[in-house]
Amino acid sequence: DQQVKQNSPSLSVQEGRISILNCDYTNSMFDYFLWYKKYPAEGPTFLISISSIKDKNEDGRFTVFLNKSAKHLSLHIVPSQPGDSAVYFCAASGRGFQGGKLIFGQGTELSVKP
Amino acid sequence: DAGVIQSPRHEVTEMGQEVTLRCKPISGHNSLFWYRQTMMRGLELLIYFNNNVPIDDSGMPEDRFSAKMPNASFSTLKIQPSEPRDSAVYFCASSLAILGGRDLEETQYFGPGTRLLVL
Repeated sequence: DQQVKQNSPSLSVQEGRISILNCDYTNSMFDYFLWYKKYPAEGPTFLISISSIKDKNEDGRFTVFLNKSAKHLSLHIVPSQPGDSAVYFCAASGRGFQGGKLIFGQGTELSVKP
Repeated sequence: DAGVIQSPRHEVTEMGQEVTLRCKPISGHNSLFWYRQTMMRGLELLIYFNNNVPIDDSGMPEDRFSAKMPNASFSTLKIQPSEPRDSAVYFCASSLAILGGRDLEETQYFGPGTRLLVL
């Protein structure tokens, strides 16, 4: 049972435009969400997070939006740059997940074309 | 800080052989996670430890897989005997998990991974 889903395996965007990566979850106990970025031959690196008490968190070019009623979050990258080309993983955690366990989505491969 | 250290970075072995993957978490972190990444399943959690104690090993695929954390600075993931379908990239991650807390301290930091190929 996939509790965190990223339905788009890939996304291609032109440099300078907005990239929108989507993530859906099913477990209403999740209350903390993160995005990780992964380059080939490297481990995932933390990008941005959001607590369920917020609906938006912004960090430079990256903004994460959370819609709790729809159990949906999205990552916006504006403007997109070729260096943003990577695989992006959405992850979720919740109360009772002792020790900080995260549930990851399948990932979306973003390609930003010059 | 050196970050999470994993060894070896690459491992090629023959079916039936024992494979041992090693991980050194970030100093001061109290949770350690082992993940496996494959094309089919994405990034899946195998097992995780909190304060050196295994908390959830429900992701361990079979009895052929075992993990230990003898102290706060070292963990191993062992596959015995290995099979071709175990070929994947195995990641170790660590975090400072605060029960009841909900902050960046729970961010997991990943190592570079071990790319395993079982022939």
